[in-house]
Amino acid sequence: GAVVSQHPSRVICKSGTSVKIECRSLDFQATTMFWYRQFPKQSLMLMATSNEGSKATYEQGVEKDKFLINHASLTLSTLTVTSAHPEDSSFYICSASLPGQGWNTEAFFGQGTRLTVV
Amino acid sequence: GDSVTQMEGPVTLSEEAFLTINCTYTATGYPSLFWYVQYPGEGLQLLLKATKADDKGSNKGFEATYRKETTSFHLEKGSVQVSDSAVYFCALSVPANQGGKLIFGQGTELSVKP
Repeated sequence: GAVVSQHPSRVICKSGTSVKIECRSLDFQATTMFWYRQFPKQSLMLMATSNEGSKATYEQGVEKDKFLINHASLTLSTLTVTSAHPEDSSFYICSASLPGQGWNTEAFFGQGTRLTVV
Repeated sequence: GDSVTQMEGPVTLSEEAFLTINCTYTATGYPSLFWYVQYPGEGLQLLLKATKADDKGSNKGFEATYRKETTSFHLEKGSVQVSDSAVYFCALSVPANQGGKLIFGQGTELSVKP
């Protein structure tokens, strides 16, 4: 199956600094990638849809200036948490879909990034 | 809007017990349905999927049948193992021309005791 690699798997940063998380599709080209946030013992909350070569589409309530998404190539999307605060601590997961799947959209997930802001 | 509802966890079973995790959905079209599994500290892995009514997805002893008449996709396994302990997510897909995203249920934690 398709492989999505997410890096780093774990990061601790100081409050006020920015953190970049990378999501790469290793063996396929992903025109669309998705970024999710997961709180402990909860489901995945879609933050934004990242489209190669265009601006990301953010879900309602997600601050686009705080969570910057860049999808510069068909194999890489990045999420930058700017001016991080302790409330941004969470598990962030990316996924990528194979293009042109119509209703049969199957997503492949990265390993997730545990962000802790101290 | 489209949504997925799963039975609440945690579900605690003894090894070799029968497992059912209920999942129902609401959708305006004809979504594909998925079960994903998440082990502690990891991302999600596709467990099985079904793309149309009456399809049965199966993998690693798990099964789920796409029931359009009851809008359900219940996950079953005849004999669970300790290694099946994880969180299970039911999901449906929105078509690519509507964003292609997945809509997840709230997840059901399964704990299997030896």
